[in-house]
Amino acid sequence: SQTIHQWPATLVQPVGSPLSLECTVEGTSNPNLYWYRQAAGRGLQLLFYSVGIGQISSEVPQNLSASRPQDRQFILSSKKLLLSDSGFYLCAWSPGTGRHSDSPLHFGNGTRLTVT
Amino acid sequence: AQRVTQPEKLLSVFKGAPVELKCNYSYSGSPELFWYVQYSRQRLQLLLRHISRESIKGFTADLNKGETSFHLKKPFAQEEDSAMYYCALRGAFMFSGGYNKLIFGAGTRLAVHP
Repeated sequence: SQTIHQWPATLVQPVGSPLSLECTVEGTSNPNLYWYRQAAGRGLQLLFYSVGIGQISSEVPQNLSASRPQDRQFILSSKKLLLSDSGFYLCAWSPGTGRHSDSPLHFGNGTRLTVT
Repeated sequence: AQRVTQPEKLLSVFKGAPVELKCNYSYSGSPELFWYVQYSRQRLQLLLRHISRESIKGFTADLNKGETSFHLKKPFAQEEDSAMYYCALRGAFMFSGGYNKLIFGAGTRLAVHP
């Protein structure tokens, strides 16, 4: 069966420090991968999605970037964190194109990031 | 612009009472609507989708295009229904390329008291 791992679960970082959140999926190949963020009082906002290695699409301009160095690995990064980057970050996957790509999103447990 | 609105941050009811979690959307085309749920210490997961027209855990939701709503209902709430509920929308253009772009509402926390 497929599983998704996301770490760390919580993170406290000072303003200006770098960020690296990692997400990996097991039990499937060529998944679509997503990074969502939930800020206080807001819904889940799609930040990035990827349909393949090295293919990253950004939904909103921001201080963050994403990379997909391997098929089942999705990394969310920042060179210098801002206070406004605080929030709850969720990684998700869905089957890739042509194979039940209409199936629901499968979410990780999330990372709570606090920038101080 | 595409938007999903859940007007209630918190809905508090007693066990056995009817529940209605409101969801309104803004989308010019034909949307697909979903309800996702997150129970305590569990992951966010799909509860139901309007195209399935099914009842999951006693919950139903009907897409009302005239009122642009997709309210989640259950006739008799149970304590185990306590969770965070998110309404989500996907438009036809969001599915191009085979990826699944969902727009989520802010969520409603349902608290069912004994």
